[in-house]
Amino acid sequence: SQQGEEDPQALSIQEGENATMNCSYKTSINNLQWYRQNSGRGLVHLILIRSNEREKHSGRLRVTLDTSKKSSSLLITASRAADTASYFCAVPQGGSEKLVFGKGTKLTVNP
Amino acid sequence: GAGVSQSPSNKVTEKGKDVELRCDPISGHTALYWYRQSLGQGLEFLIYFQGNSAPDKSGLPSDRFSAERTGGSVSTLTIQRTQQEDSAVYLCASSLMTGGNTIYFGEGSWLTVV
Repeated sequence: SQQGEEDPQALSIQEGENATMNCSYKTSINNLQWYRQNSGRGLVHLILIRSNEREKHSGRLRVTLDTSKKSSSLLITASRAADTASYFCAVPQGGSEKLVFGKGTKLTVNP
Repeated sequence: GAGVSQSPSNKVTEKGKDVELRCDPISGHTALYWYRQSLGQGLEFLIYFQGNSAPDKSGLPSDRFSAERTGGSVSTLTIQRTQQEDSAVYLCASSLMTGGNTIYFGEGSWLTVV
């Protein structure tokens, strides 16, 4: 399947440090999205990067996309305790608009 | 509405009973998704509606699961003869259109089958 796979599964860092999460996928895509989930409830959209983009920024977030390696990374700089959450990447499956999510990276930022 | 609304937020049901979960998408959003998330797991795609097109039901795990979307707006996910393995958070999401648009999630319906 086209499911995005995040790596690592869990990450624990100290406040102020940077957090990097990776996502790999299997076939060609036209976009990739990152989402955040607190406490197992609704997901919140963070950023969308299109296949013709290599890097995108939003506040303390930086997303890269390498279509040749079929991978993306999400970098959170100067992390805060409030960044503690699970982070998911999502890619459209096949030629449809159905978004398929990975299992996520659980990030813990210790104060 | 301002966001995707789901009800009930929590439901405890006895094994074998039927349950209905409701999703009210953002007004004007033509695409609607249902996902399931078991504790500590990723999101499992269930079903996708887009406008008047036939829904993509490829993720429904069994024929006990069905969903409909009336009038292109509200959607209901029905689980018949619930089993304990159906216990999960059921998440609904909607988007304005297809083509790489952001999807907006509701807060989910937590289903516990006892």
